[in-house]
Amino acid sequence: SQQGEEDPQALSIQEGENATMNCSYKTSINNLQWYRQNSGRGLVHLILIRSNEREKHSGRLRVTLDTSKKSSSLLITASRAADTASYFCATDGNQGGKLIFGQGTELSVKP
Amino acid sequence: NAGVMQNPRHLVRRRGQEARLRCSPMKGHSHVYWYRQLPEEGLKFMVYLQKENIIDESGMPKERFSAEFPKEGPSILRIQQVVRGDSAAYFCASSPQSKGGSDEQFFGPGTRLTVL
Repeated sequence: SQQGEEDPQALSIQEGENATMNCSYKTSINNLQWYRQNSGRGLVHLILIRSNEREKHSGRLRVTLDTSKKSSSLLITASRAADTASYFCATDGNQGGKLIFGQGTELSVKP
Repeated sequence: NAGVMQNPRHLVRRRGQEARLRCSPMKGHSHVYWYRQLPEEGLKFMVYLQKENIIDESGMPKERFSAEFPKEGPSILRIQQVVRGDSAAYFCASSPQSKGGSDEQFFGPGTRLTVL
């Protein structure tokens, strides 16, 4: 199956709650990135975590990386309705250049 | 600094026609990537180009599809004799460098191709 698989596929929460999305991958990587895509729009880069890092923060976002389990998680704290979007993880698969995307998690934050 | 630009944003073609999608990378970026996104799916890599060179085209169908990134001008993704299955959103991304580990890629707004 494809490198970079997210779960859950869909997540619905109330505003103010935290949202956690997980990503698993299969091959070794140099880094892993998370992107957001609003419906019908392009991708917005959220955060990049390198293979020698375990955790990274950016505002309300917290990303962890466990290379032994080949998995990453994205935590959005104190969610807002504006966070409603699809979230994708992407790995470089240690191949340089191209990114390999998962199927994404569709997050819905209800006001 | 303008972001990655793609045009057209929407393109409608009839089966058998040609589709040309254009991508202008961010200023100073010399690496361009094309991805395709089918409805309800993630992005799939198609091709990676540097100026005048195709670096990796492992994700591009062998027939009907071609890509170029000339010395001057935008990168072009060309689809000949389009079929309904080509209907998708095509995204271009650029980065300033890509050696070994990939850096962040900056995405354009995409071209939504509809084949009638």
